Amino acid sequence: AQSVTQPDIHITVSEGASLELRCNYSYGATPYLFWYVQSPGQGLQLLLKYFSGDTLVQGIKGFEAEFKRSQSSFNLRKPSVHWSDAAEYFCAVGDFNKFYFGSGTKLNVKP
Amino acid sequence: DTGVSQDPRHKITKRGQNVTFRCDPISEHNRLYWYRQTLGQGPEFLTYFQNEAQLEKSRLLSDRFSAERPKGSFSTLEIQRTEQGDSAMYLCASSLRDRDIHYGYTFGSGTRLTVV
Repeated sequence: AQSVTQPDIHITVSEGASLELRCNYSYGATPYLFWYVQSPGQGLQLLLKYFSGDTLVQGIKGFEAEFKRSQSSFNLRKPSVHWSDAAEYFCAVGDFNKFYFGSGTKLNVKP
Repeated sequence: DTGVSQDPRHKITKRGQNVTFRCDPISEHNRLYWYRQTLGQGPEFLTYFQNEAQLEKSRLLSDRFSAERPKGSFSTLEIQRTEQGDSAMYLCASSLRDRDIHYGYTFGSGTRLTVV
């Protein structure tokens, strides 16, 4: 069965510190992988996506993610967090037709 | 292009009433999706259209739910005889499927439904 696990429900980091949000998935084939960010009361904004090729992908707002097939992981990273990064982050896996989302990780940024 | 628009942003309804939501996708996108998001959860797939054809429906979409995309442009999602368990954020997304390239979803801001 297809599933996405984001093991960290809440994460708090200090502004300027590095960030890593974890995502593990279970999927029957090589999936398409996405990270989205959602601010309160807003829709989801695409940060980055992976389909094939280089396993380290760059996204918007200075985010990057690395696909590790052997670990079924697609972790999101940022070297230096800004206060405006406080939001909820969702990992998604799927194919052309539909995607399965994790339950999200809420990021709090301390000044 | 103004992105994906959803209307209304908020809807409060009494249990047992019918509600209808509208989604206007990005004009050049041929695919349109409906997802539901409850508090503390990620979005769950409900259904999707390619042009005007509804290609897949989740088992979450009970017979009280119906979605249409009559001319392959905007879509409506209707919930009949609403129940308190229907309270959620209903998200619409659109995408362009072009051969083997998937450009990712563009989501609307959602319609928050509260059933009282």
